[in-house]
Amino acid sequence: QKEVEQDPGPLSVPEGAIVSLNCTYSNSAFQYFMWYRQYSRKGPELLMYTYSSGNKEDGRFTAQVDKSSKYISLFIRDSQPSDSATYLCASNAGGTSYGKLTFGQGTILTVHP
Amino acid sequence: NAGVTQTPKFRVLKTGQSMTLLCAQDMNHEYMYWYRQDPGMGLRLIHYSVGEGTTAKGEVPDGYNVSRLKKQNFLLGLESAAPSQTSVYFCASSRPTDSNQPQHFGDGTRLSIL
Repeated sequence: QKEVEQDPGPLSVPEGAIVSLNCTYSNSAFQYFMWYRQYSRKGPELLMYTYSSGNKEDGRFTAQVDKSSKYISLFIRDSQPSDSATYLCASNAGGTSYGKLTFGQGTILTVHP
Repeated sequence: NAGVTQTPKFRVLKTGQSMTLLCAQDMNHEYMYWYRQDPGMGLRLIHYSVGEGTTAKGEVPDGYNVSRLKKQNFLLGLESAAPSQTSVYFCASSRPTDSNQPQHFGDGTRLSIL
């Protein structure tokens, strides 16, 4: 079993929809949680970063972490065609882990006009 | 702003051939990482380096070697390529961190082994 599990989708939604992307993790040592966005034929880029449990909002994007249930979520409001990409959740244990990330499988999202 | 540059972008190899993938970063980052990305598997860490002259194994190191002779460069070598190593390889770098610095990724090397 992977330490970070993510439904690969694909997920297709109409423009303007609210998108919910989710991951679960099994390693209790994970403290830092990220969402990366990856466009086709490109490298991942950091979208959101959260420490421990709680919410973080940035424009149309909201990241949530519930450490009690080991659940990570990303919400996209008013989705746009430009949001079409693969979304990867990632976690890190902090401390002496040297920034090493454990990624989920990635969810392919398509927002159609 | 070049950021992280990977060379080459595409390559086709025959089984048993060797090759080296080059990663260069111009951000003066201490940490560098090599990942492979396969369908349905996400990104998996192959090797990483926390400084010039130091390397360490990640989750899937078998069949690969790395070197970090210069701070800005991180090389990934395949000594005897196998079809199972067909993948997209990503290099990333970050500042020294316990975790809260983002990793900056290159755009990948697409490698096919026949």
